[in-house]
Amino acid sequence: EVQLVESGGGLIQPGRSLRLSCTASGFPFGDYALSWFRRAPGKGLEWVGFIRSRAYGGTPQHAASVKGRFTISRDDSKTIAYLQMNSLKTEDTAIYYCSRSFYRTYISGAFDMWGQGTMVTVSS
Amino acid sequence: QSVLTQPPSVSAAPGQKVTVSCSGSSSNVGTDYVSWYQQLPGTAPKLLIYDNNKRPSGIPDRFSGSKSGTSATLGITGLQSGDEADYFCAAWDSGLSAPVFGGGTYVTVL
Repeated sequence: EVQLVESGGGLIQPGRSLRLSCTASGFPFGDYALSWFRRAPGKGLEWVGFIRSRAYGGTPQHAASVKGRFTISRDDSKTIAYLQMNSLKTEDTAIYYCSRSFYRTYISGAFDMWGQGTMVTVSS
Repeated sequence: QSVLTQPPSVSAAPGQKVTVSCSGSSSNVGTDYVSWYQQLPGTAPKLLIYDNNKRPSGIPDRFSGSKSGTSATLGITGLQSGDEADYFCAAWDSGLSAPVFGGGTYVTVL
């Protein structure tokens, strides 16, 4: 089955760290860029960052709101993408989703596959 | 504050047509393709429209997209109760080198 499954969310205190995983199956994981998004309560979708496929350097890019605190990585041998979140703040509370870029060759605004999301609650 | 601008909500009666607008700038909507997403309550976003007006496999032709200049529009015809959801527009922003989204529009079926 073609799918993305996020895991690793939960309740965490401000200032602590958490790592989310996005496990893929059913498609050539290494050929695609993977992105992370989040949706905070009462807010819209926010792009967190993406990581390019190895063919395009395998490098990550992060949104300004999380740059320096969050890091995206990938392990193509395990078909997993990670979101390492450090120095968490209460405003990071959201459902976090991973998604696949629609096009293999470049990243656009089109993402055709999404995981079910994992909730991260940052609270003391 | 979202980079792309959408109305917070729109509504229409069952069977009617509703449109959702998305306004951007020359660095995003004006120069790149627009995508649209549907997010039903408690579920993940679903790609409805890509490349301004193309539908992925499985998306009914009740959903349509168009673009003119720095604005885009999602149309939903034959409105059904199951269409009640948040709808987001998105595009690549060449200035930010990142995808940008609208704040979302909640469609209510009266």
